Amino acid sequence: EPEVTQTPSHQVTQMGQEVILRCVPISNHLYFYWYRQILGQKVEFLVSFYNNEISEKSEIFDDQFSVERPDGSNFTLKIRSTKLEDSAMYFCATSPQETQYFGPGTRLLVL
Amino acid sequence: GDSVTQMEGPVTLSEEAFLTINCTYTATGYPSLFWYVQYPGEGLQLLLKATKADDKGSNKGFEATYRKETTSFHLEKGSVQVSDSAVYFCALNPSNTGKLIFGQGTTLQVKP
Repeated sequence: EPEVTQTPSHQVTQMGQEVILRCVPISNHLYFYWYRQILGQKVEFLVSFYNNEISEKSEIFDDQFSVERPDGSNFTLKIRSTKLEDSAMYFCATSPQETQYFGPGTRLLVL
Repeated sequence: GDSVTQMEGPVTLSEEAFLTINCTYTATGYPSLFWYVQYPGEGLQLLLKATKADDKGSNKGFEATYRKETTSFHLEKGSVQVSDSAVYFCALNPSNTGKLIFGQGTTLQVKP
């Protein structure tokens, strides 16, 4: 069964550094999402992406964040200058329409 | 705005006990409703869904019925197993392709 994959599984970075989180969607899916889960808290929506542009973004998704689909397959989330509070599990999700399928997540630790 | 509220956890049960995890929602339209499960150290897996009122979603012995009159989508299982120990998230999707709004999650611990 096709799955959403994410790389890396874990990333440790210094505050102020840039990180890029990668996701490979299920091949026929058209809608892409990023969510994050700070340890012990609920899963929060960051951004949705369709037809090569952002459909919706949350208040969390400020100018430090960006998304793109550079090569038609990968879907990336970039954090330009990481802060301590960006430490979280980041989930990619993809969808053919209404049901979203999640990847295993990238655990980001900012020191 | 739209929101989801789940019962506080953790819920601790003995194997073969009956499980109910309560979920209620607030939404202006007619959302789709979902239960996702997160096993220790893993990502979110879709457990079941319902897209309209009175629909019942079911999977792996779990069931939930979309109740518009009580704005609820309670998760039930007749006989839990140790392997069901996980965090369960109720979520709604206000529009077909929009963001998911999650509840805070309920941790289930099943003891042998």
